[in-house]
Amino acid sequence: DAGVTQSPTHLIKTRGQQVTLRCSPISGHKSVSWYQQVLGQGPQFIFQYYEKEERGRGNFPDRFSARQFPNYSSELNVNALLLGDSALYLCASSLHDLQGKDYGYTFGSGTRLTVV
Amino acid sequence: QKEVEQNSGPLSVPEGAIASLNCTYSDRVSQSFFWYRQYSGKSPELIMSIYSNGDKEDGRFTAQLNKASQYVSLLIRDSQPSDSATYLCADTSGTYKYIFGTGTRLKVLA
Repeated sequence: DAGVTQSPTHLIKTRGQQVTLRCSPISGHKSVSWYQQVLGQGPQFIFQYYEKEERGRGNFPDRFSARQFPNYSSELNVNALLLGDSALYLCASSLHDLQGKDYGYTFGSGTRLTVV
Repeated sequence: QKEVEQNSGPLSVPEGAIASLNCTYSDRVSQSFFWYRQYSGKSPELIMSIYSNGDKEDGRFTAQLNKASQYVSLLIRDSQPSDSATYLCADTSGTYKYIFGTGTRLKVLA
C-alpha cells in the first residue's frame, strides 16, 4: 500500500515568492491535514480538510491557503514567502470510522522548504 | 489555548534500561493522546494511543494516562540504540487538530 506521498521533498525559494506543496493521502483516507514543523519544535496545525471541505484552520496568516481535490489529494499554497516560513511541511491523512473513532495520523515524509 | 508540555531533553539511558518520557497537558477535559516517534530528518510515526486512565501496553511500549494530574507518559522497556529519536506527545481531543508538544529527545547509549 502506498503511504502518504508529498512533493517536492525539498524546495528553495526566495523571499516574496509563492510556493505550492502537494500531498496524496492513503487510499481510502478522506481527511488531510497540514502541519508546519520548525526545527526543534513540535508540528503546528495549519489546516484540515475532510471531504473537500475545510474543517479547521490554525493560527497562520492568510498567506497560507489550501484545498482538497475530488480524489482527496491536497495542495498547500504559501504566498509572499518570509524567511520565517522555512520549515518542514507535513501532510497527514487519517481514517475515521462511522463512530468517529480517530485512528491517528499517518504523516508523509514532508517537504523541507528553505526561504532565502 | 490548549498546550502540551514536554522536557526537550536529551534523556540519556543505557541500552536495556527503561526510558520514561513524560508530558503534561493544559486542558482538563482532554481525553485522547497519541505518542509519535520522529527520527532525525524524518516525519513522525505513530507509536500508540491512549484514551483511558491507567496503563496501555503494546510490545515494549507502555502508555500511561493520569487525568487527575493531567499527565501522560510513555515507557520504553529494554531500550535499544534504535529507539534514539524524538518522542512527541499529542493531545488529540480536538475535533480537527492535534496539539503537539515540542518533543523529548531520547538517546540510548550502547
